[in-house]
Amino acid sequence: QSVLTQPPSVSGAPGQRVTISCTGSSSNIGAGYDVHWYQQLPGTAPKLLIYDNSNRPSGVPDRFSGSKSGTSASLAITGLQAEDEADYYCQSYDRSLSGSVFGGGTKLTVL
Amino acid sequence: EVQLVQSGAEMKKPGESLKISCKGSGYSFTNYWIGWVRQMPGKGLEWMGIIYPGDSDTRYSPSFQGQVTISADKSIRMAYLQWSSLKASDTAMYYCARRLGGYCSITSCPGTFDVWGQGTMVTVSS
Repeated sequence: QSVLTQPPSVSGAPGQRVTISCTGSSSNIGAGYDVHWYQQLPGTAPKLLIYDNSNRPSGVPDRFSGSKSGTSASLAITGLQAEDEADYYCQSYDRSLSGSVFGGGTKLTVL
Repeated sequence: EVQLVQSGAEMKKPGESLKISCKGSGYSFTNYWIGWVRQMPGKGLEWMGIIYPGDSDTRYSPSFQGQVTISADKSIRMAYLQWSSLKASDTAMYYCARRLGGYCSITSCPGTFDVWGQGTMVTVSS
């Protein structure tokens, strides 16, 4: 049972927009800690996609965007492409656990 | 180029000890925390702990405290993850990652992980 809750799977057709939610609590996201998102392509290490809720590292397309509100955060992907098919994880910090926590991950399927 | 390069895959028997490594290059190794993340086969990411190579300040996830030891040798830019007695349930991919964030207090060390190693697969089987 992950501290941050994500839907196990989402899907969309090429060109469409999908969102992935990440729900936490008052000891992590709701406490004001930033949310970060990672993309993990099959057989590879995770890659930072969004940091500090809504910032993109250099090289990440602007099709990827993040937001945070209250005890939740969201990752949006517009103009879906086949290469976006991957697992996506949110991450934050939990003050009760005194450590970083990950969501359970969401598998994105491009139909 | 900022890089973290991990040691190769390991196959061990239950009860054996193991130490895997993560070498940093292309940045000031002593000024960034290094975290370790476990990914069991077909499962998600789990944060294990984090170390500051500058002074070896180490923090553990409650789930991994006492189960593993995280260490670092700043003279050779290496971080380590070790087990004294492996179990079959330790079979997983292990990643090291560089923490990007501000100051860490005694009680709080939030931040993101901007650079990841390629992973070390550890298989424990009799």
